[in-house]
Amino acid sequence: DQQVKQNSPSLSVQEGRISILNCDYTNSMFDYFLWYKKYPAEGPTFLISISSIKDKNEDGRFTVFLNKSAKHLSLHIVPSQPGDSAVYFCAAHRAQKLVFGQGTRLTINP
Amino acid sequence: DAGITQSPRHKVTETGTPVTLRCHQTENHRYMYWYRQDPGHGLRLIHYSYGVKDTDKGEVSDGYSVSRSKTEDFLLTLESATSSQTSVYFCAISDSTSGGGETQYFGPGTRLLVL
Repeated sequence: DQQVKQNSPSLSVQEGRISILNCDYTNSMFDYFLWYKKYPAEGPTFLISISSIKDKNEDGRFTVFLNKSAKHLSLHIVPSQPGDSAVYFCAAHRAQKLVFGQGTRLTINP
Repeated sequence: DAGITQSPRHKVTETGTPVTLRCHQTENHRYMYWYRQDPGHGLRLIHYSYGVKDTDKGEVSDGYSVSRSKTEDFLLTLESATSSQTSVYFCAISDSTSGGGETQYFGPGTRLLVL
């Protein structure tokens, strides 16, 4: 069973606009949620995280929102830039292990 | 960037041959992980280590074994490679002393092709 799901395999956004990536989870025992960004032929790089006791965390252009009642989190990127084109993975943490979603490929169009 | 290297970066092998992938870290982090990435599946945990000689299975451990004889090195072995093990393999590390220890840092990956 897929504990962490990213239901949109791809997303296309115009440069300068907002990108919103979504993630759903099923296990209420997860205590942290993270977003990673991955370029081709490179390892994933950590972007931003949020504790399960928070509902929002912001870091520059990146904001993560957590809705625990809906078991849903989202990553907002404002404004979107060409360098943001990558695959984004959400991940959920429990007991020193991460469970990843399938990833969403974000393309920023000029 | 966290000091994590993986070797080899690319490997082509034949079905039935043994393969060992190496992960080396210079951060002295306690936890080390092996993942595989396949289309439509994201990253799936194969095995992880919580200290020297302390390892445990992940979600997709069948056909894989690991060893950690030193803090800095974590080896992943495919005893008899199969075509279904063709994948990109990533090593990751985390430090349990930082916050909740939830953030993992990844190596550059090893692309393995089993013919």
